[in-house]
Amino acid sequence: GAVVSQHPSWVICKSGTSVKIECRSLDFQATTMFWYRQFPKQSLMLMATSNEGSKATYEQGVEKDKFLINHASLTLSTLTVTSAHPEDSSFYICSARDLDEGYTFGSGTRLTVV
Amino acid sequence: KQEVTQIPAALSVPEGENLVLNCSFTDSAIYNLQWFRQDPGKGLTSLLLIQSSQREQTSGRLNASLDKSSGRSTLYIAASQPGDSATYLCAVNTDSWGKLQFGAGTQVVVTP
Repeated sequence: GAVVSQHPSWVICKSGTSVKIECRSLDFQATTMFWYRQFPKQSLMLMATSNEGSKATYEQGVEKDKFLINHASLTLSTLTVTSAHPEDSSFYICSARDLDEGYTFGSGTRLTVV
Repeated sequence: KQEVTQIPAALSVPEGENLVLNCSFTDSAIYNLQWFRQDPGKGLTSLLLIQSSQREQTSGRLNASLDKSSGRSTLYIAASQPGDSATYLCAVNTDSWGKLQFGAGTQVVVTP
């Protein structure tokens, strides 16, 4: 089945630094990938839709200058949290859509900003 | 605006009982509905995908039904096992871009 690899699975960074999270579709091409954020005991909140070769579409209230998304190839999308602060600490999950299997999700990245 | 609701928010059953998880959505114009499982601190595992033209899907002990007109889907898990303990999320796709709208989930605990 379709597999999405997300890396790293966890990261701890100092306040003010930037962190990059990668999301790869391993056995299929994904023209569209999605980035979600999840707070403890809450559901997933869509942050942005990443389209290969074009700018990402951000949901209302999501700062595009803070959460930089790049989708340079059909198998790779990256989310960079710039100038991270403790309130950015969260669980970030990416997903990609396969026409036959629906949506496949990465394993998530636990970001802790200290 | 599409709203997805899952009831109950939490459920605890003894091993062997059947599980019934409910999902409702306000806008019946959906492309598909998908059920996921999430273990603590992990990503999502897809369980069943139901296209808008389908009424149900089955996989092993899992069966999901879809009634678009009433805006409901139900996930049945037969003969529950402790390994079924997790949070179950339903999500609907009402957007040609493929954006998913998630419910808040049902946290399931199956006791031995």
